[in-house]
Amino acid sequence: AQSVTQLDSQVPVFEEAPVELRCNYSSSVSVYLFWYVQYPNQGLQLLLKYLSGSTLVKGINGFEAEFNKSQTSFHLRKPSVHISDTAEYFCAVRETDSWGKLQFGAGTQVVVTP
Amino acid sequence: KAGVTQTPRYLIKTRGQQVTLSCSPISGHRSVSWYQQTPGQGLQFLFEYFSETQRNKGNFPGRFSGRQFSNSRSEMNVSTLELGDSALYLCASLPSGLAPDTQYFGPGTRLTVL
Repeated sequence: AQSVTQLDSQVPVFEEAPVELRCNYSSSVSVYLFWYVQYPNQGLQLLLKYLSGSTLVKGINGFEAEFNKSQTSFHLRKPSVHISDTAEYFCAVRETDSWGKLQFGAGTQVVVTP
Repeated sequence: KAGVTQTPRYLIKTRGQQVTLSCSPISGHRSVSWYQQTPGQGLQFLFEYFSETQRNKGNFPGRFSGRQFSNSRSEMNVSTLELGDSALYLCASLPSGLAPDTQYFGPGTRLTVL
């Protein structure tokens, strides 16, 4: 069975500072990896994804993530955050043969202050 | 293209009642997945439909059911509602799931059970 662990439940950060959100997963088969963001009272918006190829993936709004197969990690980073980045961030894993079934981490709440 | 739409956006029911939620996927998408989001359990996969057939199922009781129509629109039904069914229900669509695709989420239906 697969599992996804987001190591921080909440990350406070000052505006224009960098942020890293950590995600580790376990799976016995190959996986696809995703980061989604959720703003209050909204659905999930895709930030970026790793399907294959380069392990460094770039997403929207200046976010990037690196897939590390040996450490089974997929950490999300942004070099300089804005107030508007305040939201909840979810790491998700989909096994390559599980079609539309995503397994989510518990989420990391990012709070950006001036 | 229009995004994933869900109706209604908000719903209030009482214990013991049943409820039906609707999801219209992005045009051309044939897979629809449903997720339940609660503060305590986070985001949990309910089931996935593809070409009117259930392709994946999560660990929810039989009170939770779904179906998909020939136009790919999907409904989920919860019978004999319990207080613990209060949640945000999200649906997501995939083009087909035959290739490494990305799921796109709707805004969700907020169900409150009194």
